[in-house]
Amino acid sequence: SAVISQKPSRDICQRGTSLTIQCQVDSQVTMMFWYRQQPGQSLTLIATANQGSEATYESGFVIDKFPISRPNLTFSTLTVSNMSPEDSSIYLCSVRKGGLPGEQYFGPGTRLTVT
Amino acid sequence: EDQVTQSPEALRLQEGESSSLNCSYTVSGLRGLFWYRQDPGKGPEFLFTLYSAGEEKEKERLKATLTKKESFLHITAPKPEDSATYLCAVQPKTSGTYKYIFGTGTRLKVLA
Repeated sequence: SAVISQKPSRDICQRGTSLTIQCQVDSQVTMMFWYRQQPGQSLTLIATANQGSEATYESGFVIDKFPISRPNLTFSTLTVSNMSPEDSSIYLCSVRKGGLPGEQYFGPGTRLTVT
Repeated sequence: EDQVTQSPEALRLQEGESSSLNCSYTVSGLRGLFWYRQDPGKGPEFLFTLYSAGEEKEKERLKATLTKKESFLHITAPKPEDSATYLCAVQPKTSGTYKYIFGTGTRLKVLA
């Protein structure tokens, strides 16, 4: 398994501002993922963050809106830029461990409210 | 298109009343199916991985089974602490980035 922490746990932000969410893992992992969970909806993958390479974004998500950093094998950040109320959501960091298909473990999430 | 559907959306049980949650999936080749438990305000907690039809996994009062089209999470004699949202996810074989496709979950409430 993996122990994952996220900061902040929640925040209320003004429209047009940006927020950076941090994700820390207790062991080195190759693959880290960022998800969004909107109220009443399923988890949606935003991007995959591999150390030493550019993040890979899913359809509907772009780097200018959700820039990601992955400076080492235990840490990643997701920035939500130029926020609007539609960005209000829970943002979750996860890591994959084990061989194929592997198992994903999730952090506690960051609850973001944009006013 | 790869898709995961969970039913029912919500379920209320009396303590000790056994039941099953359903996860139906359509994927172009299944690499794995995963069950998670999510408590309010927390991230999903990993429960099981199932790889092939006929496989079963058990943990305390929970038992997960898998067929070629669906998975069931059986809850035997549930307790109030089993109340949570249960999420199902699949990983298609075509998923080059190990992408999971999640269902919307079943919200389970167990009454004392």
